[in-house]
Amino acid sequence: DIVMTQSPLSLPVTLGQPASISCRSSQSLAYSDGNTYLSWYQQRPGQSPRRLIYKVSNRDSGVPDRFSGSGSGTDFTLKISRVEAEDVGIYYCMQGKQWPPWTFGQGTKVEI
Amino acid sequence: EVQLVESGGDLVQPGGSLRLSCAASGFTFSSLWMHWVRQAPGKGLVWVSHINTDGSITNYADSVKGRFTISRDNAKNMLYLQMNSLRAEDTAVYYCASLVTRGPFDIWGQGTMVTVSS
Repeated sequence: DIVMTQSPLSLPVTLGQPASISCRSSQSLAYSDGNTYLSWYQQRPGQSPRRLIYKVSNRDSGVPDRFSGSGSGTDFTLKISRVEAEDVGIYYCMQGKQWPPWTFGQGTKVEI
Repeated sequence: EVQLVESGGDLVQPGGSLRLSCAASGFTFSSLWMHWVRQAPGKGLVWVSHINTDGSITNYADSVKGRFTISRDNAKNMLYLQMNSLRAEDTAVYYCASLVTRGPFDIWGQGTMVTVSS
């Protein structure tokens, strides 16, 4: 199974300042079709998760452009350029390259 | 409206059974692989089960293999999870989700709570 490891697990942030979350996979997520299947999810308090980013850097519809994803191979990053109050929550990375199982990182709690 | 709505969560005794349902609307349900993902209280997301578009292929996490069965009815736009031999460690919010990894559409339900306790 591919193990996903996030850091930090807790991230205090300041409104208007940038924030960054790291995700590492135990194996490369690059697939034979040339794509890399790494997604990022946001779970706000009391809500179900919603996807922010797919295939490393593709933002979902409605996701603010202050969110960006980058990385390759086994190292990936989710960046928030300027944190807003609505960004508080838990962020998860997930791999979709080798399954089953689909595997998530432990989650990073972002708090003001 | 594009949505997934889960139901069927309840308090059940260890060893008991429960059937979760997920109603899809607003999109072409039959074209998507579907999954169940669970989240124990205060914990992270854990993938539970997957089913392909026509129901011919299913996959399960080792922790539920042999106890849980996923199924779907594309005519009714419904996804199901039959849960047998429930254990305390199955206590969680259960989400149905598309978990799309390749394209721009992904959807999750609001979740349904399953509590296994005597």
